[in-house]
Amino acid sequence: DAKTTQPPSMDCAEGRAANLPCNHSTISGNEYVYWYRQIHSQGPQYIIHGLKNNETNEMASLIITEDRKSSTLILPHATLRDTAVYYCIAKSNDYKLSFGAGTTVTVRA
Amino acid sequence: GAVVSQHPSRVICKSGTSVKIECRSLDFQATTMFWYRQFPKQSLMLMATSNEGSKATYEQGVEKDKFLINHASLTLSTLTVTSAHPEDSSFYICSAIRTSGSYEQYFGPGTRLTVT
Repeated sequence: DAKTTQPPSMDCAEGRAANLPCNHSTISGNEYVYWYRQIHSQGPQYIIHGLKNNETNEMASLIITEDRKSSTLILPHATLRDTAVYYCIAKSNDYKLSFGAGTTVTVRA
Repeated sequence: GAVVSQHPSRVICKSGTSVKIECRSLDFQATTMFWYRQFPKQSLMLMATSNEGSKATYEQGVEKDKFLINHASLTLSTLTVTSAHPEDSSFYICSAIRTSGSYEQYFGPGTRLTVT
């Protein structure tokens, strides 16, 4: 699976959009971009995934650049409950997930 | 949604004893389950892949005789930490993939193991 690079931490204001970047410059054509998050002392939670096109669900939007070398997870209206570690993972359609260090997102009132 | 449970949520055991952790998929069948370990302030590390009805596949560096995995049914996998030592104290998390459908992994809430 391709290596991903994320900033170690970021703060965002409650009620504002949070934009979480991820670089995956070596991603191959059959690898998807997955996002999970882990709230403290809980198991990870699936957020969204995509291959080429932008994706949106009830939790977030995923914007993938045309060359697929980077992507951005957007939390449209961050709340205090969105404080978590966010993991960006590039993987093919096998089963294994490799978690990096992720981005620690702190939402402040 | 797909729900995965773990039991117990927390366990404290004495050094040298064995501890069993259960992982259940509550509303779907899971041919494949995974076991992860997470030390404080670190990311999740995959320990093993558990397939229903067959032997688990362990990641490099994980002792299969110490971490016994059994996946006897499509909704239950167990991890037994044998002869536990304080360095085995960690957060153990399982995940499961639906037998049919997409490749999303659904994670359990985790089990905090403390070995004294």
